[in-house]
Amino acid sequence: ETGVTQTPRHLVMGMTNKKSLKCEQHLGHNAMYWYKQSAKKPLELMFVYSLEERVENNSVPSRFSPECPNSSHLFLHLHTLQPEDSALYLCASSQEYRAQPQHFGDGTRLSIL
Amino acid sequence: SQQGEEDPQALSIQEGENATMNCSYKTSINNLQWYRQNSGRGLVHLILIRSNEREKHSGRLRVTLDTSKKSSSLLITASRAADTASYFCATDDRASGSRLTFGEGTQLTVNP
Repeated sequence: ETGVTQTPRHLVMGMTNKKSLKCEQHLGHNAMYWYKQSAKKPLELMFVYSLEERVENNSVPSRFSPECPNSSHLFLHLHTLQPEDSALYLCASSQEYRAQPQHFGDGTRLSIL
Repeated sequence: SQQGEEDPQALSIQEGENATMNCSYKTSINNLQWYRQNSGRGLVHLILIRSNEREKHSGRLRVTLDTSKKSSSLLITASRAADTASYFCATDDRASGSRLTFGEGTQLTVNP
């Protein structure tokens, strides 16, 4: 148990659907991260929030829209995704922005039909 | 841009043997970390070694860091089947203000 919970664990959606991924951390951390993990590629940092404010957006297409309503919750809203967006999406948290180590959830396995 | 690269990409050993994985990187770092990922799960932090440290131990894990060669190694002694997982190094890059950069990982299989 890492203290970071992601739901759903698996998601299959069509390219025209709208869905959301949810992440909740029970560690009292101030920073939260979204990563994309594709086969045979390093983890890609997508977004970073610190104290509910977005501090990094790493050239992520607008079809991915993050939301951080409070320091314990992080969402990733998905809309009009492409087949190449199929991947494992991992949420992580840390005590402060860019503090280490980061604590990861188990991810959402996303498949785009 | 900075990137940790693990070597080998895959490693298969027998239970009880030692496993060694290597990581190379390109720029100056504040620290280097190793994470483990079991199949279908998230990453779990194993150990962090700072740039002014040369060796660190945690249980059956031994990590070395050679900043002159920009490389690190992770040694798992007396391996167990439960050690089967992917292992990633992550570098805290000074130039990017402590952003973590992950490598592609080493897939370790420990056969019973």
